[in-house]
Amino acid sequence: KQEVTQIPAALSVPEGENLVLNCSFTDSAIYNLQWFRQDPGKGLTSLLLIQSSQREQTSGRLNASLDKSSGRSTLYIAASQPGDSATYLCAVRPRNYGQNFVFGPGTRLSVLP
Amino acid sequence: GAVVSQHPSWVICKSGTSVKIECRSLDFQATTMFWYRQFPKQSLMLMATSNEGSKATYEQGVEKDKFLINHASLTLSTLTVTSAHPEDSSFYICSASPGAYYEQYFGPGTRLTVT
Repeated sequence: KQEVTQIPAALSVPEGENLVLNCSFTDSAIYNLQWFRQDPGKGLTSLLLIQSSQREQTSGRLNASLDKSSGRSTLYIAASQPGDSATYLCAVRPRNYGQNFVFGPGTRLSVLP
Repeated sequence: GAVVSQHPSWVICKSGTSVKIECRSLDFQATTMFWYRQFPKQSLMLMATSNEGSKATYEQGVEKDKFLINHASLTLSTLTVTSAHPEDSSFYICSASPGAYYEQYFGPGTRLTVT
């Protein structure tokens, strides 16, 4: 059974810092991995989608890497801003379990002005 | 990008009543829709997967008779919480996909409070 963990569970940093959020998964047989952002009481906003054959994806100040063999993905946020404050979720789509996503518990990020 | 809507965005109902939540894909045909549940400060848990025109597949521990899912068209899936109780209070999020292993697009969620 695929399990996804995220470290740290919560993070509070001053504005301007570069951040690293970690995601680990137990089964490397994945179809893809996706990073989402969730604001309190809101739905999910897709940030980056990495296919299993890819090593990284970039969008603006965000960069996500994928090391499938070690079961890890990292989300880098450059020059953090207060508007980046949210919960960041990673989710994997296991290759062996159909189309379902398995979500991690999330990292709650607070960027202080 | 693809847009998925949910209605209502929030609902308060009395214990024992039933509540229907709609999930619509606005600009694409969704052969598969997913329903998730999220408790406060917890991650999303998949409840069921529905394919258009067929019965939904429920995850272990999810009561089929409690959470009725209908995916009658390629743009609409509904989740009905029957005889709701306070413990059913949660944030329900749907997602829709154009096909197997395509990207999933998430709705904005529905906050259900049962009093």
